[in-house]
Amino acid sequence: GAGVSQSPSNKVTEKGKDVELRCDPISGHTALYWYRQSLGQGLEFLIYFQGNSAPDKSGLPSDRFSAERTGGSVSTLTIQRTQQEDSAVYLCASAGGGDEQYFGPGTRLTVT
Amino acid sequence: GEDVEQSLFLSVREGDSSVINCTYTDSSSTYLYWYKQEPGAGLQLLTYIFSNMDMKQDQRLTVLLNKKDKHLSLRIADTQTGDSAIYFCAEGFAGNNRKLIWGLGTSLAVNP
Repeated sequence: GAGVSQSPSNKVTEKGKDVELRCDPISGHTALYWYRQSLGQGLEFLIYFQGNSAPDKSGLPSDRFSAERTGGSVSTLTIQRTQQEDSAVYLCASAGGGDEQYFGPGTRLTVT
Repeated sequence: GEDVEQSLFLSVREGDSSVINCTYTDSSSTYLYWYKQEPGAGLQLLTYIFSNMDMKQDQRLTVLLNKKDKHLSLRIADTQTGDSAIYFCAEGFAGNNRKLIWGLGTSLAVNP
């Protein structure tokens, strides 16, 4: 596709439910990132995939958060047993050979 | 530790120049980026500068880098209402695609 796409664009869920957020990176980009942007905060790095290497999960805030990237393309971020503090915009970015990261429009998650 | 700081708000009149400032602490960065985030949209790379440069100009945008003071600025000439957005400064490090250190963003309001 022309850019990074994410779905859904908005998600409202009840506390305690699991959610899955999807990211479709730019075709051919080997690097994929997940970030979280809370209201009034900067970008918080969550996880990074690069090719077939083991992902860098150092930014995941708890073991309720996990992500996978199938076939080196689409990625899914899963949050189990959601809490209200998980409410944020979740941004995905991909990068090719250079350092520029191309961002998707984000998924706004609201936990009620 | 690693830190990037920006002022949170800036208000200018349409037609004036805007200057958004950023300071950082890690002098080993290779690139310094300016990203723009419009309401409801993802982040868009505006411009970047290599750390061995002092200045970069791109149409209405001028980036100035003072490595000694670890100070980066983005000047927008002839600011338009369409420039209203949040502007993020970020540090990047060669060979480590993951490591972008982000500021909290400066919200630019352009008044007619």
